[in-house]
Amino acid sequence: DADVTQTPRNRITKTGKRIMLECSQTKGHDRMYWYRQDPGLGLRLIYYSFDVKDINKGEISDGYSVSRQAQAKFSLSLESAIPNQTALYFCATSDPDGGRNGYTFGSGTRLTVV
Amino acid sequence: LAKTTQPISMDSYEGQEVNITCSHNNIATNDYITWYQQFPSQGPRFIIQGYKTKVTNEVASLFIPADRKSSTLSLPRVSLSDTAVYYCLVGDNRNYGQNFVFGPGTRLSVLP
Repeated sequence: DADVTQTPRNRITKTGKRIMLECSQTKGHDRMYWYRQDPGLGLRLIYYSFDVKDINKGEISDGYSVSRQAQAKFSLSLESAIPNQTALYFCATSDPDGGRNGYTFGSGTRLTVV
Repeated sequence: LAKTTQPISMDSYEGQEVNITCSHNNIATNDYITWYQQFPSQGPRFIIQGYKTKVTNEVASLFIPADRKSSTLSLPRVSLSDTAVYYCLVGDNRNYGQNFVFGPGTRLSVLP
């Protein structure tokens, strides 16, 4: 099994719909992150969480919300999807000591908003 | 926030050594330098991390000069499967995630 599992892998949704992307990890890490990647661009941080009770906005949090249900689970929601939220979404986790072994990323969720 | 600059793209041939340089002129004292590799439709994969001098693992080497204002990722004897985007990140591990920025990266194409 993958260390970081994202579901669904692909999703097409309509404008205005609420959608949730789920992420679970088996690394035992406290730190989890959601990133967005647009074609030809780098990754941009949406939200991050350093433990179950900690939620922080990243660079591009508008239009998104998150829920840290447990140490291993971190969900991203689009409250009312719009076409410019079409992108590849990645969940990641990092070492509790601050990332000396870097991030571990999931395989991504490709979201299309029509 | 340490900004990084790296070439947008590079071409190489199989079997060659590839060096990708990243500039980070305003790196802070507590910042580490980390490199990632990303294949299409996959999440980035950690390659190597360093603070100063030289770090080597089974995949790559990372060279960091004394002033730490740049770093060079070295991939020995590349193969077609090394075709990917390579990202250089600079940041403080204690606040991992708060100030790490993935730029557009360097798109490496390995040709036969």
